[in-house]
Amino acid sequence: EDKVVQSPLSLVVHEGDTVTLNCSYEVTNFRSLLWYKQEKKAPTFLFMLTSSGIEKKSGRLSSILDKKELSSILNITATQTGDSAIYLCAVEANTGNQFYFGTGTSLTVIP
Amino acid sequence: DGGITQSPKYLFRKEGQNVTLSCEQNLNHDAMYWYRQDPGQGLRLIYYSQIVNDFQKGDIAEGYSVSREKKESFPLTVTSAQKNPTAFYLCASSIGPLGEQYFGPGTRLTVT
Repeated sequence: EDKVVQSPLSLVVHEGDTVTLNCSYEVTNFRSLLWYKQEKKAPTFLFMLTSSGIEKKSGRLSSILDKKELSSILNITATQTGDSAIYLCAVEANTGNQFYFGTGTSLTVIP
Repeated sequence: DGGITQSPKYLFRKEGQNVTLSCEQNLNHDAMYWYRQDPGQGLRLIYYSQIVNDFQKGDIAEGYSVSREKKESFPLTVTSAQKNPTAFYLCASSIGPLGEQYFGPGTRLTVT
């Protein structure tokens, strides 16, 4: 059965720490992997990854895909309280309209 | 176990037909949401409901309709007016309008 698993389920860090969130998947005919940030509103799109080994960056956030290991990591450096959110990982299957969402990692950044 | 169910997982329809996607939750959540996920794009909000018998349009409500007659159910109808209905549809719920959202497994709709 196709699935996406995120770890850890929750994480509490202090401002300034660096965190790494993990997403592993078992999806037939992988096409892309997406990361979202969900605060107290609709999820915000962060990254889409399709090629293995190529890092995508946006400010303090970066993500990389490892197709061999069927996984991706999302790194956040110098965390701020505004980074507190649930981070969702989703994988798109090659059929184009089938997505599998993980349950998310809840990140809390304390001052 | 509490959770959100969407059915069916895959749905096929002919162009010009209306189709209704089911979303049920037994989490006792007040708020429910419908999103659309297309390849290469982020989630887009179609409709949301903060409480029974009330719902509001999201960013891309045209061609869709919803109802919220029961707390646990929030069906989405994709009408023939929706120009590009083929997509992956995701339902979510939260305790309140600003709460953590729990997502269903999604329904993939293909219209030919």
